[in-house]
Amino acid sequence: DAKTTQPNSMESNEEEPVHLPCNHSTISGTDYIHWYRQLPSQGPEYVIHGLTSNVNNRMASLAIAEDRKSSTLILHRATLRDAAVYYCILNAGGTSYGKLTFGQGTILTVHP
Amino acid sequence: EAGVTQFPSHSVIEKGQTVTLRCDPISGHDNLYWYRRVMGKEIKFLLHFVKESKQDESGMPNNRFLAERTGGTYSTLKVQPAELEDSGVYFCASSQLTGTSGRDEQFFGPGTRLTVL
Repeated sequence: DAKTTQPNSMESNEEEPVHLPCNHSTISGTDYIHWYRQLPSQGPEYVIHGLTSNVNNRMASLAIAEDRKSSTLILHRATLRDAAVYYCILNAGGTSYGKLTFGQGTILTVHP
Repeated sequence: EAGVTQFPSHSVIEKGQTVTLRCDPISGHDNLYWYRRVMGKEIKFLLHFVKESKQDESGMPNNRFLAERTGGTYSTLKVQPAELEDSGVYFCASSQLTGTSGRDEQFFGPGTRLTVL
């Protein structure tokens, strides 16, 4: 799977927007960009995914660069509950379509 | 709708013993996955079932680990004999879509924390 690069940690204040970046310069044309997060003492939780176009759902927005070599997860108004480790993952599909490769992720701290 | 459930939530065993972890996926999900995080490391993929068949078992560390999914419903992961390095959190996930696209979202359980003494 193509590799992703994320900052180790980021901080935000409650009710402010958060932009979590991810670089994936070796992304291939069939790679979907997925974001998961893991809250303390829980299993990973799906957040959002996209291929080429920007995506919105009730949890977040995903902005994908035109060349697809980077993406940004946007939390529009951070809450204390959003404090978690956020993982940017590429899924190429194919015979290993179910295999998610987790990196170190970004630890997001939200201050009240 | 019930999410992915795992049993037990915690297990403490001694080196050399056997442990069996169970995962119940979301009803109707044909795909079932096992992952684990050992101390200080990243979450690693172990294997992927499609119904009762193993689609990808490239992450299984060695032959002390045996995963089954009889009948295509729940799955078990047996470690026999357990070693100290097997300690960690074992996650199960399930997903609905079949086919080979990379767009499927996985739903994770809370994990089983395994401690081998």
